[in-house]
Amino acid sequence: EVQLVQSGAEVKKPGESLKISCKGSGYSFTSYWIGWVRQMPGKGLEWMGIIYPGDSDTRYSPSFQGQVTISADKSISTAYLQWSSLKASDTAMYYCARKPPAATNNWFDPWGQGTLVTVSS
Amino acid sequence: EIVMTQSPATLSVSPGERATLSCRASQSVSSNLAWYQQKPGQAPRLLIYGASTRATGIPARFSGSGSGTEFTLTISSLQSEDFAVYYCQQYNNWPPTWTFGQGTKVEIK
Repeated sequence: EVQLVQSGAEVKKPGESLKISCKGSGYSFTSYWIGWVRQMPGKGLEWMGIIYPGDSDTRYSPSFQGQVTISADKSISTAYLQWSSLKASDTAMYYCARKPPAATNNWFDPWGQGTLVTVSS
Repeated sequence: EIVMTQSPATLSVSPGERATLSCRASQSVSSNLAWYQQKPGQAPRLLIYGASTRATGIPARFSGSGSGTEFTLTISSLQSEDFAVYYCQQYNNWPPTWTFGQGTKVEIK
């Protein structure tokens, strides 16, 4: 079974750093893209960026470029989303999701269960 | 930047009735369009990709249509488990970006 399992909920203070994870299993981790999607409380879905673990090719949404860093460790089939200095406005649920390798296949399936990040002083 | 606009924001439907959800792109996205379902407290689930192909395990009552700028998700006979929020998502070649619509909430009438 193809699965993406994300790390647990985090409570942080403004200015702190954070790295959340997304572990893939049941498929060739290096052959599929992993995307990250933000969902702020009560709001819709926003694409943040995407990484190809095979060669670490990474693309960012202009809205998130410079605000977060996406990385992957293919040796442990895990992708990461990290912040160097959190803000209260980073409070949200963050999902990872798999994208097929072909350039013509641009959907996300499956999705991780989500990681809730709360930033509060 | 391509903007995806979904309508209506909320759709009130009785069980067993047909639901028709719309998604409009600000410029052509060809058939690079997917639909997702999200229930409260759950991650989104892929329903439709390539504008009209059902994902694995998705019931036949879900169907997608359209190309270019106008797309439709139809649920032929709403079941209790279908009440949820539905999002469309497009892909743009350059710069490579994935954009979601703001969602349509399907609620019980």
